[in-house]
This record gives sequence, C-alpha cells and structure tokens, in this order.
Amino acid sequence: GAGVSQSPRYKVAKRGQDVALRCDPISGHVSLFWYQQALGQGPEFLTYFQNEAQLDKSGLPSDRFFAERPEGSVSTLKIQRTQQEDSAVYLCASRLGTGGNSNQPQHFGDGTRLSIL
Amino acid sequence: AQSVAQPEDQVNVAEGNPLTVKCTYSVSGNPYLFWYVQYPNRGLQFLLKYITGDNLVKGSYGFEAEFNKSQTSFHLKKPSALVSDSALYFCAVRENPRDSGAGSYQLTFGKGTKLSVIP
Repeated sequence: GAGVSQSPRYKVAKRGQDVALRCDPISGHVSLFWYQQALGQGPEFLTYFQNEAQLDKSGLPSDRFFAERPEGSVSTLKIQRTQQEDSAVYLCASRLGTGGNSNQPQHFGDGTRLSIL
Repeated sequence: AQSVAQPEDQVNVAEGNPLTVKCTYSVSGNPYLFWYVQYPNRGLQFLLKYITGDNLVKGSYGFEAEFNKSQTSFHLKKPSALVSDSALYFCAVRENPRDSGAGSYQLTFGKGTKLSVIP
C-alpha cells in the first residue's frame, strides 16, 4: 500500500492475556519505529529497527514487551501478560533512509488502540 | 537528554486569522526539528522539518515554522487559518547525529497542542 498499515485498529483484551500488534511499513523503508501514545500525551519511543536488526529497544517499558521484524519488512509488537497500564495507542512509523544519519521524516500508521480490561 | 515543550494545551483562533502554535526544545547539540498533525483516530502526518539552512521553513497546507536558535524555539505558523486546520499538533526533536553519533534514532515529542479554528 501507499502508507504504513497497522492491524488491528482496535484491540480489547483481558488483563493477563497476550496481544500481538502488526505493522506493515511503506515499501522500501528500511527504518521502522514503534511508539506508545497514552491518552492526552505525545508519542513515546519504544523501539527501532534497521531492516531486521533491532538497534534500539531502550524505550520498551518492561520485559513483557517484545518486538520483531524477522524479514526486514513487517513488524510485530507483542505484549505478554497485559496490564491495565498498557492501554494506549501503539503507533508504527517507517522512514526512508538508513541509520541515525537520515534526516527524512518518519511516516506514521493510524495506530492500534489497545484497551486492557 | 532531549526534550520538547509545547506550553499551550489549546489554541483558539478565528477562521482567516493568523495562527501560531508554540514549541521550545532542548538538545545537547544541534537539533533536527519536526511538526506533525494528528486528526482524531488517525496517525501523525508530517508537516515540515528543519534540518539546517534557512531559519524559515515552509511545509504542507500553507504552514511554516521559524527556527530560533537563541530562543531554542520552533513555532508553527500559518497566515490565515482554516476550519479544517482544527487538529492536534505535535512538535518533535532529535539531535543532529553529527553531534551525537549515529545512534540518535529517537524522536522526542511534545505533549501536543489542540488547535481549534472557529468559523
């Protein structure tokens, strides 16, 4: 597609369940980012991939959060044993250009709104 | 550490009037600066960026922003507001990788400013 695609758009889960969120970046974009956006806040960085390599995971809030991009295209963010504080919108972004030297903007998907009951 | 402040939670402006959304930043070296807009239940859309060069940057939909290094500001402006400009606006910063090394991948966002353009 022309833009970053995320699925599902909405996810409701019970506390303690595992969830998986998918991101399909713009074709040819080697850089991929995940952000968490709490209600009324700006996005906060979670993790960064360059192709299949996860180069920065410093923003992941706990070891319950895990992200992968095995073939350097589609990425999945997995949250294990979900907690109520995990409720947020999870945004994926991709960028043309490799590494930290790129000055190209990140292009965002519409996000997955996760609600933990 | 890098940070962004958007001092106004909400800005109201009459249609046809000029608008300004304020942003100040803090980084160790030189900044890369970005403005994004977010409509309800949508992701962020890129408006414009400052990397280097001319302090006045022009972007999409008639928006522009002025980089002021001495005041560490990057305010978003538009000469004549439209009702369709009503949305949430985010300023973001990352450090120029020539100053911090190639590992500075992270964009740091402000909390956002809700712009309401009144017909």
